[in-house]
Order: sequence, then structure tokens, then C-alpha cells
Amino acid sequence: GAVVSQHPSRVICKSGTSVKIECRSLDFQATTMFWYRQFPKQSLMLMATSNEGSKATYEQGVEKDKFLINHASLTLSTLTVTSAHPEDSSFYICSVAKTGGVGETQYFGPGTRLLVL
Amino acid sequence: TQLLEQSPQFLSIQEGENLTVYCNSSSVFSSLQWYRQEPGEGPVLLVTVVTGGEVKKLKRLTFQFGDARKDSSLHITAAQPGDTGLYLCAGARDSSYKLIFGSGTRLLVRP
Repeated sequence: GAVVSQHPSRVICKSGTSVKIECRSLDFQATTMFWYRQFPKQSLMLMATSNEGSKATYEQGVEKDKFLINHASLTLSTLTVTSAHPEDSSFYICSVAKTGGVGETQYFGPGTRLLVL
Repeated sequence: TQLLEQSPQFLSIQEGENLTVYCNSSSVFSSLQWYRQEPGEGPVLLVTVVTGGEVKKLKRLTFQFGDARKDSSLHITAAQPGDTGLYLCAGARDSSYKLIFGSGTRLLVRP
């Protein structure tokens, strides 16, 4: 498999502030990472595909200027929620695509719980 | 449009019972993954299937990929309270590693 960490695990912020979430691939150099958000009792919703050294690819309906993604190295991708509002409160999860294995498998981080007051 | 339909959405059973979760689509997938997620945590990979008709076993869990690679099932034998969680199927349609997730099946196994 692959070991993925996220930091912080939970964050509370005031409306209008920006929050940065880090996703690290600890034992694998990940060219591709993904960012998801998950609302209570729902499935995962893909926000964007993060490619090392290039711009992220955002899913339809996801504002790229609000959710800034940077994938500057093969082990780190960051998601910055800019000017956060209460409706941005959610569970954010990253994953890494582990190439060379069986199928197109992703390994997930433990998630970051964001609460915007 | 939900490309991957999971059923049932919720299942509450007694410890020791068997159950099957289904993941269906009209699309063909190059591979399909099953994950289990517990509250407040990220999904954990259970299995990846890539060949039509493939069957994989993981202790009391049996996974099957449909012959046409459009559907999959997860069968749990003698369920235990530790099996409680959200089960997610996810399919890849190409080599981009981008996954389409099913709506999830929430399983509760009562002692």
C-alpha cells in the first residue's frame, strides 16, 4: 500500500480566513494526488486532481480560486481554502495514486475536519 | 448522474448473519476498488479487481467483478460488529487513476 498523512486533522477558523491543509505521501513518490470533500453521511466528491509540477485539474463546479492546490514535490500537496465561509465546513480527504500496482488504486489520508464559524 | 449505484444504502443486521452489497453501472471499468471507511477517518482499501469474472477473498469478505466489468459485489460471511462502517465501491474508467465513487453502503452489525 501507501502511507498518507494529513495535517491538521481538524481545524476551526473564523469566516473570511484562509486555511491550508497538507497531504503527505510518506513512503511513495506520488506524481498524482487527489482532493475530495465529504459531507455527513455522503460519499466522496472529487474536487481536483493534483499533478506534481503542473496546475491542478478541477472538477466542474469547484472554484479554483477558492480552493488553491499546490503540488510542489512528489511527497506533498496542499489545499488552501481561501476566504472560508460556513458552507465550506466539511471533511476534506486527500489520496495518492500508486502507480505500478494492481489496477488504478488510490490510498487515502485520514482526512481533515474543517469547521468555519 | 450517479455512474455507480450501490445497494442497499443502509443495512442493519445481527452478528453472525451474511450480507451482500452490490455496485452496478452501465459503464465498463478498467478496475474497481472497494474501500471501508469509519467515522472521522479516511477510506481504507480492501481490494482491487481488474479482470472480468475475478473473485478475491479477504478472510470473511468475498469480492467479485462482473464478467463485463460493469458491476461488482461484496459478500460478508458471519458478520461481526467490527465490520460496521461505510463501504464504498469506486471504479476507474481509464489509466488516469481518477475514480468514480458509488453512493456508499452504511453497514451496522449489532452484537
